[in-house]
Amino acid sequence: AQKVTQAQTEISVVEKEDVTLDCVYETRDTTYYLFWYKQPPSGELVFLIRRNSFDEQNEISGRYSWNFQKSTSSFNFTITASQVVDSAVYFCALSEAAGSQGNLIFGKGTKLSVKP
Amino acid sequence: SQTIHQWPATLVQPVGSPLSLECTVEGTSNPNLYWYRQAAGRGLQLLFYSVGIGQISSEVPQNLSASRPQDRQFILSSKKLLLSDSGFYLCAWSVSASRSPLHFGNGTRLTVT
Repeated sequence: AQKVTQAQTEISVVEKEDVTLDCVYETRDTTYYLFWYKQPPSGELVFLIRRNSFDEQNEISGRYSWNFQKSTSSFNFTITASQVVDSAVYFCALSEAAGSQGNLIFGKGTKLSVKP
Repeated sequence: SQTIHQWPATLVQPVGSPLSLECTVEGTSNPNLYWYRQAAGRGLQLLFYSVGIGQISSEVPQNLSASRPQDRQFILSSKKLLLSDSGFYLCAWSVSASRSPLHFGNGTRLTVT
C-alpha cells in the first residue's frame, strides 16, 4: 500500500540553523513521483519540487536541498541557514503512475518554527 | 501567468444548510482541476478531480459533489452539510500532462455548526 510518513510533527530551530525534514514513503510501483509543498500560515500550498523515481540526483535550489534515496525510500528536505520566513508546515507527497491523476498521497506534515 | 482564485476564504454554516464553494483559474486552458480537503492535524485528501468540462471523478464517497460548468471553473457543493464536513478546502489546478505539479488556491475554511 502507498504511504508517506513524516515522523517529525513539529520542529523548532533558531534562525540560521540548518534543519532537515524527513520523508519516508512506501509504494509498490516502480514509477512514481515525489513532491514537497510548503503551507505558510496563510494556508495556500506552495509547490517546491517534484522528483520522479528514475531521477535520484539530489537537487539544490538556493537554501533548499533535497536528498532522494531509493534504497531507504526517503526524500528528505534540508533548509540551510533557516530564516523566520521558512516557518510553515511542510508536506511530502507521493503520486503513483498507476494511480488516478492528482491523487497525491500526502504525509501529515511537519510544522517548522524558526525563531529569530 | 496562471492564477487560481478560490472563495470565500472563510465560511460558517449551520448543519443541514447547502454549500457552494467556487474556484476559477486564469491564464491557462483545459487545466485539470481538483478539490482537496485538509482536516485538522491531518494531511490532504483528494475529493474530486476533473480533466474537462462536465467530467468529474470522485475519490471519496460523501455528501459532497462537484461540477465543472466551464473550462476554468470548478464548484464544490453540498445539499445538506454535516458537522464532519468542517475543514479546510483547497482547490488546485495542473496542466494536463501526467503528474505535473498541483498549484493550489488560498483555501476556504469551512466551519459547520
